[in-house]
Amino acid sequence: IQMTQSPSSLSASVGDRVTITCRASQGINNYLAWYQQKPGTVPNLLIYAASTLQSGVPSRFSGSGSGTDFTLTISSLQPEDVATYYCQKYNGSPLSFGGGTKVEIK
Amino acid sequence: EVQLVASGGGLLQRGGSLRLSCAASGFTLSTYAMNWVRQAPGKGLEWVSYISSSGNLTYHADSVKGRFTISRDNAKNSLSLQMNSLRDEDTAVYYCARKSYGSGNYYFDLWGQGTLVTVSS
Repeated sequence: IQMTQSPSSLSASVGDRVTITCRASQGINNYLAWYQQKPGTVPNLLIYAASTLQSGVPSRFSGSGSGTDFTLTISSLQPEDVATYYCQKYNGSPLSFGGGTKVEIK
Repeated sequence: EVQLVASGGGLLQRGGSLRLSCAASGFTLSTYAMNWVRQAPGKGLEWVSYISSSGNLTYHADSVKGRFTISRDNAKNSLSLQMNSLRDEDTAVYYCARKSYGSGNYYFDLWGQGTLVTVSS
Protein backbone atom coordinates (compact mmCIF):
# COMPACT_ATOMS: atom_id res chain seq x y z
CA ILE A 1 0.00 0.00 0.00
CA GLN A 2 1.41 3.37 -1.07
CA MET A 3 0.84 6.54 0.94
CA THR A 4 0.78 9.80 -1.03
CA GLN A 5 0.83 13.19 0.66
CA SER A 6 -0.05 16.52 -0.87
CA PRO A 7 1.15 19.12 -1.19
CA SER A 8 4.84 18.33 -0.75
CA SER A 9 5.32 21.83 0.65
CA LEU A 10 3.27 24.87 1.50
CA SER A 11 3.73 28.38 2.76
CA ALA A 12 1.04 30.08 4.82
CA SER A 13 0.63 33.07 7.11
CA VAL A 14 0.37 32.95 10.87
CA GLY A 15 -3.26 32.37 11.77
CA ASP A 16 -4.13 30.63 8.51
CA ARG A 17 -5.99 27.34 8.35
CA VAL A 18 -3.71 24.69 6.85
CA THR A 19 -4.81 21.34 5.42
CA ILE A 20 -2.55 18.45 4.43
CA THR A 21 -3.86 15.43 2.57
CA CYS A 22 -2.76 11.80 2.74
CA ARG A 23 -4.12 9.21 0.32
CA ALA A 24 -3.71 5.43 0.61
CA SER A 25 -3.63 3.29 -2.53
CA GLN A 26 -5.94 0.81 -0.79
CA GLY A 27 -8.39 1.17 2.08
CA ILE A 28 -6.79 1.17 5.52
CA ASN A 29 -9.89 1.84 7.66
CA ASN A 30 -8.69 4.39 10.24
CA TYR A 31 -5.22 2.92 10.80
CA LEU A 32 -3.46 6.19 10.17
CA ALA A 33 -1.11 8.31 12.27
CA TRP A 34 0.37 11.77 11.77
CA TYR A 35 3.79 12.94 12.93
CA GLN A 36 5.46 16.33 13.14
CA GLN A 37 9.20 16.65 12.63
CA LYS A 38 10.64 20.06 13.40
CA PRO A 39 14.00 20.93 11.81
CA GLY A 40 16.85 19.04 13.45
CA THR A 41 14.62 17.04 15.77
CA VAL A 42 13.04 13.60 15.95
CA PRO A 43 9.47 12.91 14.76
CA ASN A 44 6.70 13.46 17.27
CA LEU A 45 3.34 11.67 17.26
CA LEU A 46 0.43 14.07 16.77
CA ILE A 47 -2.59 11.95 15.89
CA TYR A 48 -3.47 8.25 15.74
CA ALA A 49 -6.51 6.31 14.62
CA ALA A 50 -6.93 9.05 12.01
CA SER A 51 -8.50 11.53 14.41
CA THR A 52 -7.39 10.93 18.01
CA LEU A 53 -5.10 13.63 19.36
CA GLN A 54 -2.05 12.36 21.23
CA SER A 55 -1.79 13.64 24.80
CA GLY A 56 -0.13 17.04 25.00
CA VAL A 57 -0.72 18.02 21.37
CA PRO A 58 -2.35 21.44 20.94
CA SER A 59 -6.03 21.38 20.02
CA ARG A 60 -5.42 23.43 16.86
CA PHE A 61 -4.31 20.12 15.28
CA SER A 62 -7.02 17.77 14.08
CA GLY A 63 -7.30 14.76 11.81
CA SER A 64 -10.10 13.23 9.82
CA GLY A 65 -10.80 10.59 7.22
CA SER A 66 -11.23 6.87 6.81
CA GLY A 67 -10.61 4.32 4.09
CA THR A 68 -8.26 5.94 1.58
CA ASP A 69 -8.46 9.70 2.15
CA PHE A 70 -7.22 11.52 5.23
CA THR A 71 -6.51 15.08 6.24
CA LEU A 72 -4.46 16.84 8.89
CA THR A 73 -5.67 20.34 9.70
CA ILE A 74 -3.97 23.10 11.64
CA SER A 75 -6.79 25.50 12.48
CA SER A 76 -4.59 28.53 13.12
CA LEU A 77 -0.97 28.20 12.02
CA GLN A 78 1.63 29.26 14.61
CA PRO A 79 5.35 29.96 14.12
CA GLU A 80 6.22 26.87 16.17
CA ASP A 81 4.32 24.69 13.68
CA VAL A 82 7.08 25.07 11.08
CA ALA A 83 7.94 21.45 10.43
CA THR A 84 7.57 18.54 8.06
CA TYR A 85 4.48 16.43 8.60
CA TYR A 86 4.25 12.72 7.79
CA CYS A 87 1.33 10.33 7.65
CA GLN A 88 1.87 6.63 8.43
CA LYS A 89 -0.40 3.70 7.77
CA TYR A 90 -0.36 0.84 10.28
CA ASN A 91 -2.92 -1.72 9.20
CA GLY A 92 -0.24 -4.34 8.53
CA SER A 93 3.33 -4.96 7.46
CA PRO A 94 5.05 -3.22 5.94
CA LEU A 95 4.38 -0.10 7.92
CA SER A 96 4.84 2.87 5.60
CA PHE A 97 4.99 6.63 5.62
CA GLY A 98 3.90 9.30 3.21
CA GLY A 99 6.57 11.41 1.57
CA GLY A 100 6.07 14.37 3.91
CA THR A 101 4.70 17.90 3.70
CA LYS A 102 6.96 20.77 4.59
CA VAL A 103 5.11 23.68 6.21
CA GLU A 104 6.67 27.13 6.26
CA ILE A 105 5.56 30.59 7.34
CA LYS A 106 4.94 33.14 4.60
CA GLU B 1 12.82 10.45 32.31
CA VAL B 2 11.26 8.24 29.67
CA GLN B 3 13.70 8.07 26.77
CA LEU B 4 15.45 6.01 24.12
CA VAL B 5 19.11 6.54 23.32
CA ALA B 6 20.47 5.12 20.08
CA SER B 7 24.16 4.55 19.48
CA GLY B 8 26.62 2.68 17.29
CA GLY B 9 26.47 4.65 14.06
CA GLY B 10 29.54 5.56 12.06
CA LEU B 11 31.31 5.73 8.71
CA LEU B 12 32.03 2.46 7.00
CA GLN B 13 32.67 0.97 3.59
CA ARG B 14 30.18 -0.61 1.26
CA GLY B 15 29.74 -4.29 2.15
CA GLY B 16 30.65 -3.76 5.77
CA SER B 17 28.76 -4.57 8.97
CA LEU B 18 27.60 -2.52 11.91
CA ARG B 19 25.56 -3.11 15.04
CA LEU B 20 23.30 -0.37 16.35
CA SER B 21 22.05 -0.29 19.93
CA CYS B 22 19.19 1.44 21.66
CA ALA B 23 18.99 1.84 25.43
CA ALA B 24 15.66 2.41 27.10
CA SER B 25 15.15 4.19 30.39
CA GLY B 26 12.21 5.38 32.44
CA PHE B 27 9.95 2.53 31.32
CA THR B 28 9.95 -1.26 31.14
CA LEU B 29 11.16 -2.19 27.66
CA SER B 30 9.76 -5.73 27.89
CA THR B 31 6.23 -4.31 27.84
CA TYR B 32 6.60 -2.81 24.38
CA ALA B 33 7.24 -3.89 20.84
CA MET B 34 10.04 -1.89 19.24
CA ASN B 35 11.09 -0.73 15.81
CA TRP B 36 13.87 0.84 13.81
CA VAL B 37 12.99 3.65 11.41
CA ARG B 38 15.51 5.40 9.18
CA GLN B 39 15.77 8.71 7.37
CA ALA B 40 18.21 9.27 4.54
CA PRO B 41 19.77 12.76 4.43
CA GLY B 42 17.12 15.27 3.36
CA LYS B 43 14.56 12.52 2.77
CA GLY B 44 11.47 11.10 4.44
CA LEU B 45 10.93 8.35 6.98
CA GLU B 46 11.27 4.65 6.17
CA TRP B 47 10.27 1.87 8.54
CA VAL B 48 13.04 -0.76 8.74
CA SER B 49 12.34 -3.44 11.35
CA TYR B 50 9.88 -4.54 14.06
CA ILE B 51 10.27 -6.86 17.03
CA SER B 52 7.52 -7.99 19.39
CA SER B 53 7.75 -7.36 23.12
CA SER B 54 8.99 -10.88 23.84
CA GLY B 55 11.27 -10.97 20.81
CA ASN B 56 9.64 -14.03 19.23
CA LEU B 57 8.25 -12.14 16.23
CA THR B 58 10.20 -9.94 13.84
CA TYR B 59 9.49 -8.22 10.55
CA HIS B 60 11.86 -6.40 8.19
CA ALA B 61 11.28 -4.12 5.23
CA ASP B 62 11.99 -5.74 1.86
CA SER B 63 14.86 -3.29 1.34
CA VAL B 64 16.82 -4.81 4.26
CA LYS B 65 15.46 -8.36 4.46
CA GLY B 66 18.24 -10.92 4.66
CA ARG B 67 20.81 -8.26 5.55
CA PHE B 68 19.51 -6.69 8.78
CA THR B 69 18.46 -8.47 11.98
CA ILE B 70 16.59 -6.88 14.86
CA SER B 71 16.96 -8.31 18.35
CA ARG B 72 16.41 -7.35 21.96
CA ASP B 73 17.62 -8.11 25.48
CA ASN B 74 14.79 -7.28 27.85
CA ALA B 75 16.93 -8.07 30.88
CA LYS B 76 19.28 -5.27 29.80
CA ASN B 77 16.50 -2.99 28.57
CA SER B 78 18.12 -2.80 25.15
CA LEU B 79 17.38 -3.18 21.46
CA SER B 80 19.82 -3.91 18.64
CA LEU B 81 20.01 -3.86 14.86
CA GLN B 82 22.69 -5.96 13.18
CA MET B 83 23.38 -4.54 9.73
CA ASN B 84 25.36 -6.62 7.21
CA SER B 85 26.26 -6.21 3.54
CA LEU B 86 25.74 -2.48 3.80
CA ARG B 87 24.94 -0.51 0.66
CA ASP B 88 25.20 3.16 -0.22
CA GLU B 89 21.42 3.47 0.06
CA ASP B 90 21.56 2.39 3.72
CA THR B 91 23.11 5.77 4.57
CA ALA B 92 20.66 7.38 6.99
CA VAL B 93 19.90 8.42 10.51
CA TYR B 94 18.53 5.36 12.30
CA TYR B 95 15.91 5.93 14.98
CA CYS B 96 14.71 3.40 17.51
CA ALA B 97 11.01 3.89 18.07
CA ARG B 98 8.58 2.43 20.56
CA LYS B 99 5.33 0.95 19.30
CA SER B 100 2.41 2.35 21.23
CA TYR B 101 1.01 -0.05 23.81
CA GLY B 102 -1.97 -2.11 22.82
CA SER B 103 -3.00 -4.57 20.17
CA GLY B 104 -3.08 -3.04 16.71
CA ASN B 105 -1.48 0.22 17.73
CA TYR B 106 1.41 -0.04 15.28
CA TYR B 107 2.37 3.62 15.48
CA PHE B 108 5.31 5.14 17.33
CA ASP B 109 4.84 7.13 20.52
CA LEU B 110 8.48 7.50 21.60
CA TRP B 111 11.55 8.05 19.42
CA GLY B 112 15.25 7.96 20.20
CA GLN B 113 17.49 10.78 19.03
CA GLY B 114 18.91 8.79 16.12
CA THR B 115 22.36 7.59 15.13
CA LEU B 116 23.92 8.34 11.73
CA VAL B 117 25.17 5.53 9.53
CA THR B 118 27.21 6.57 6.49
CA VAL B 119 28.18 3.99 3.89
CA SER B 120 30.91 5.01 1.51
CA SER B 121 32.77 3.26 -1.26
